[in-house]
Amino acid sequence: KAGVTQTPRYLIKTRGQQVTLSCSPISGHRSVSWYQQTPGQGLQFLFEYFSETQRNKGNFPGRFSGRQFSNSRSEMNVSTLELGDSALYLCASSPLTNSGNEQFFGPGTRLTVL
Amino acid sequence: GQQLNQSPQSMFIQEGEDVSMNCTSSSIFNTWLWYKQDPGEGPVLLIALYKAGELTSNGRLTAQFGITRKDSFLNISASIPSDVGIYFCAGQTGNTPLVFGKGTRLSVIA
Repeated sequence: KAGVTQTPRYLIKTRGQQVTLSCSPISGHRSVSWYQQTPGQGLQFLFEYFSETQRNKGNFPGRFSGRQFSNSRSEMNVSTLELGDSALYLCASSPLTNSGNEQFFGPGTRLTVL
Repeated sequence: GQQLNQSPQSMFIQEGEDVSMNCTSSSIFNTWLWYKQDPGEGPVLLIALYKAGELTSNGRLTAQFGITRKDSFLNISASIPSDVGIYFCAGQTGNTPLVFGKGTRLSVIA
């Protein structure tokens, strides 16, 4: 089975721009979660989508948004980029079965804001 | 937001040595997960624990779900150079988001 894929892998933007990141979950996984990883703050939860509905949301400003499509693929968008948004953005998918709730991560998108 | 206390923050060990790291929380979790992250990559799931007191192995790795449900331990036996990386613990209750520790950076000296 193919793993979680994220595109693009690297991105450079300038302040004020917006960006859209894409995530394709493992086939059959219906839950997709997004995380921001920085050296200072570690892994911070952004949001989780399940069956096209946002199920959980972390403590990030409204500039961070996401959505999930009917094929479980997900996108996240960051508008009006700030320097502090530079980070590795990770997507994780989960099967959400009775036997477990493990999350499997993609390789991430490294976003640099100049 | 809530975070787990993971220790040690970093370790330098000789190849062949055993390694121990742990995570503690003020809250109870129903699930404990351990991940390893290599530079430039996403975390890879190593072990998942679902029951208090559970002890699970994956090759040279062994993890335990603490009986208080507020802690977990990961041991690596006979370390090798490819064990280098950052190890993260994560806890979860129900359908709430995973809460991650800040990681243990492991360096192995050949």
